[in-house]
Amino acid sequence: NAGVTQTPKFRVLKTGQSMTLLCAQDMNHEYMYWYRQDPGMGLRLIHYSVGEGTTAKGEVPDGYNVSRLKKQNFLLGLESAAPSQTSVYFCASRGGKRYNEQFFGPGTRLTVL
Amino acid sequence: GENVEQHPSTLSVQEGDSAVIKCTYSDSASNYFPWYKQELGKRPQLIIDIRSNVGEKKDQRIAVTLNKTAKHFSLHITETQPEDSAVYFCAARPSISNFGNEKLTFGTGTRLTIIP
Repeated sequence: NAGVTQTPKFRVLKTGQSMTLLCAQDMNHEYMYWYRQDPGMGLRLIHYSVGEGTTAKGEVPDGYNVSRLKKQNFLLGLESAAPSQTSVYFCASRGGKRYNEQFFGPGTRLTVL
Repeated sequence: GENVEQHPSTLSVQEGDSAVIKCTYSDSASNYFPWYKQELGKRPQLIIDIRSNVGEKKDQRIAVTLNKTAKHFSLHITETQPEDSAVYFCAARPSISNFGNEKLTFGTGTRLTIIP
């Protein structure tokens, strides 16, 4: 099993550009999450999903959109990137036998100039 | 919503000594408290967790204690080793029986450095 994977690993954007981050999991997990990690701020939840076709807002959803068209994929979109969105983005999933444990992806480092 | 505070933000201990990291939470409905370890440049990984019906849990050199009355829980690492150097995050989550309670609230992290 690959676990949770994220694409891309690194990206540099100019202000106003758009992009999509892809998260994929092969553990058949119901729950998926997108976090951003900034120095001194810990992990802050952007959006999450409790199952295929569902999404919900987290703590810091402004400027982001998400979609969960397939159970194994959770996409995070930035329609018009801003320098404040420079961060490391982590995807996570949860479910199965180890029901409480969130499994994280390797992260995507995004810089917005 | 839930608010989790974590202290200290940085901690340095001599190799072989013990390290303690403390967290407080605000929502009395929270009943699941995990701890994640994140090594430099890596993803967070679960190292231990505790439910509210248990006061203490141990796994080799790490232990977690929970005081529900005071709404605080702590991570204890004994006989620290260089590989324990990392950022540690606490988190809290209410009962997952209701929609909207499926998410963890994380503390801001503690950077632990083990001095050889």
